[in-house]
Amino acid sequence: EVQLVESGGGLVQPGGSLRLSCAASGFTFTNYWMHWVRQAPGKGLVWVSRINYDGSSTSYADSVKGRFTISRDNAKNTLYLEMNSLRAEDTAVYYCAVSSAPIYWGQGTLVTVSS
Amino acid sequence: QSVLTQPPSVSGAPGQRVTISCTGSSSNIGAPYDVYWYQQLPGTAPKLLIYGNNKRPSGVPDRFSGSKSGTSASLAITGLQAEDEADYYCQSFDNSLSGWVFGGGTKLTVL
Repeated sequence: EVQLVESGGGLVQPGGSLRLSCAASGFTFTNYWMHWVRQAPGKGLVWVSRINYDGSSTSYADSVKGRFTISRDNAKNTLYLEMNSLRAEDTAVYYCAVSSAPIYWGQGTLVTVSS
Repeated sequence: QSVLTQPPSVSGAPGQRVTISCTGSSSNIGAPYDVYWYQQLPGTAPKLLIYGNNKRPSGVPDRFSGSKSGTSASLAITGLQAEDEADYYCQSFDNSLSGWVFGGGTKLTVL
């Protein structure tokens, strides 16, 4: 059974940093691209970033480019999202997802940016 | 402003059929990349209803079906039930962003 479990969310002050993790199991992690998607309270789904199989290629939404860094540790079957210079508008539930067919998602972790 | 365009809301009576449209462009749906559909109940993670344009994951009732033509896609729900009241999102891949794109979401109300 495919499982994606996010962790690392919490309350952080504006300008602060946070690292999210996504522990993957139940599939061959190295065979798939991975993504982060977020959803602000009461808003829709927004793609944040993606990484290819071995981490050699990444892509970001314009809203997070230069502030967020996606990475993966294939030995640990874990996806990461390093978030710096956080803003109030980054407040959201962050989901990790695997680019498989069908696509699988985690349950999400809440990040709140507030003073 | 979402890359994929969905109607903000649709409604239907129990037992009726409703459709939700999703319009993209030549860099995503028309590229052609697959379309996915999700159902989201309040406070929960999105649930995949359709993948690969028209395939249903196991456990999803056949009342839900997907189709795609050109730069647009549609989700059809037949035999509408009260528990279908939720937000619905379409998703695809965009080659100019090299990432996923979503519709803004459609709120389905069962009258």
